[in-house]
Amino acid sequence: SQTIHQWPATLVQPVGSPLSLECTVEGTSNPNLYWYRQAAGRGLQLLFYSVGIGQISSEVPQNLSASRPQDRQFILSSKKLLLSDSGFYLCAWSVSGLNYNEQFFGPGTRLTVL
Amino acid sequence: GNSVTQMEGPVTLSEEAFLTINCTYTATGYPSLFWYVQYPGEGLQLLLKATKADDKGSNKGFEATYRKETTSFHLEKGSVQVSDSAVYFCALSDWAERKLQFGAGTQVVVTP
Repeated sequence: SQTIHQWPATLVQPVGSPLSLECTVEGTSNPNLYWYRQAAGRGLQLLFYSVGIGQISSEVPQNLSASRPQDRQFILSSKKLLLSDSGFYLCAWSVSGLNYNEQFFGPGTRLTVL
Repeated sequence: GNSVTQMEGPVTLSEEAFLTINCTYTATGYPSLFWYVQYPGEGLQLLLKATKADDKGSNKGFEATYRKETTSFHLEKGSVQVSDSAVYFCALSDWAERKLQFGAGTQVVVTP
């Protein structure tokens, strides 16, 4: 069966510090991968998605970036965090090649920028 | 482009009450439709789905029917429990896009 992991589970960082969040998927190959952010009391905002190694599509221009160094690894980064980067970050995956896009979500990372 | 509209919350119910959360969509082509649930502090879980018109998705007592004529996918449950308290998201995807379009989410609070 497939599983998706995210770490860390929670993170408190000062403004201006760097960020690295990691997501890995097990039990599948060549998945589509996604990063979402959920601000407090708000809906989901798609940040990035990837259909293969090194292929990243950005949905929202901002100070975040994403990378996919391996097939089942997706990393969200920032060089300098802003207060507005606080939120709940969710990684998701879906099976590539299907004609519908059922996504499976990780447990999330709660980021607080102080 | 595609869009999903959900009723705003919070929706507050007593235990054993009937729950309906309205969801309507705009899409080109024939999208697949989903309901996801998010319990406090957790990620999203797929609750049910329907991939073509007139399909009924069901799970854990929840149901939703894909209505192409009204472009709707309303979520219903006949008798809610306190454990159903969560945020519910309606979403769609179509074949052309490798992404889900989510609604804003509806918070449901069930009181004993």
